[in-house]
Amino acid sequence: AQKVTQAQTEISVVEKEDVTLDCVYETRDTTYYLFWYKQPPSGELVFLIRRNSFDEQNEISGRYSWNFQKSTSSFNFTITASQVVDSAVYFCALARGGAAGNKLTFGGGTRVLVKP
Amino acid sequence: ETGVTQSPTHLIKTRGQQVTLRCSSQSGHNTVSWYQQALGQGPQFIFQYYREEENGRGNFPPRFSGLQFPNYSSELNVNALELDDSALYLCASRGDRAIQETQYFGPGTRLLVL
Repeated sequence: AQKVTQAQTEISVVEKEDVTLDCVYETRDTTYYLFWYKQPPSGELVFLIRRNSFDEQNEISGRYSWNFQKSTSSFNFTITASQVVDSAVYFCALARGGAAGNKLTFGGGTRVLVKP
Repeated sequence: ETGVTQSPTHLIKTRGQQVTLRCSSQSGHNTVSWYQQALGQGPQFIFQYYREEENGRGNFPPRFSGLQFPNYSSELNVNALELDDSALYLCASRGDRAIQETQYFGPGTRLLVL
């Protein structure tokens, strides 16, 4: 069975601080996919980033960066120089590879509050 | 904008009633998935449809059913509503280029069961 754990339920920061969100996953699959989604108060889940299990290269995209480590089953996400508009709930999600389809297993989410 | 729309945005029903929620996917997206998100929790997978056939289901009872139509629209039907069915219902669609292509979500329908 697959499982995603986001241990941080809520993080509060002041604008321009960096925010790192932790995500730990469990899966028996050798091929899988990891995602981060953002959910603002409006409710829509907004896709942010996706990573394949066979590519551990960490990247930066604008103010977003991620650290994928298969050895510790972690997929952490960082927002650099946070802004008030970053306030939202962030979800880490896991999808199986291959013919199993791409049902997403979500973590419980981390609420980020960025204060001006 | 993801190009995925859902209707209605909000809905209030009473226990025992039936409800139909609608989703319109992006053109060309033949796979649609439905998720239930209870307050304060992450979304839970209900089921997935590909080219009008169900091809995956989560841990939800048969009173949760769906339909997908050739025009990229789909429905989630819930019979015999229970109080615990109160939640945000999200649909997501993806293209066919690769089985693990990213899913894009609609804004959701907030259902309240009294």
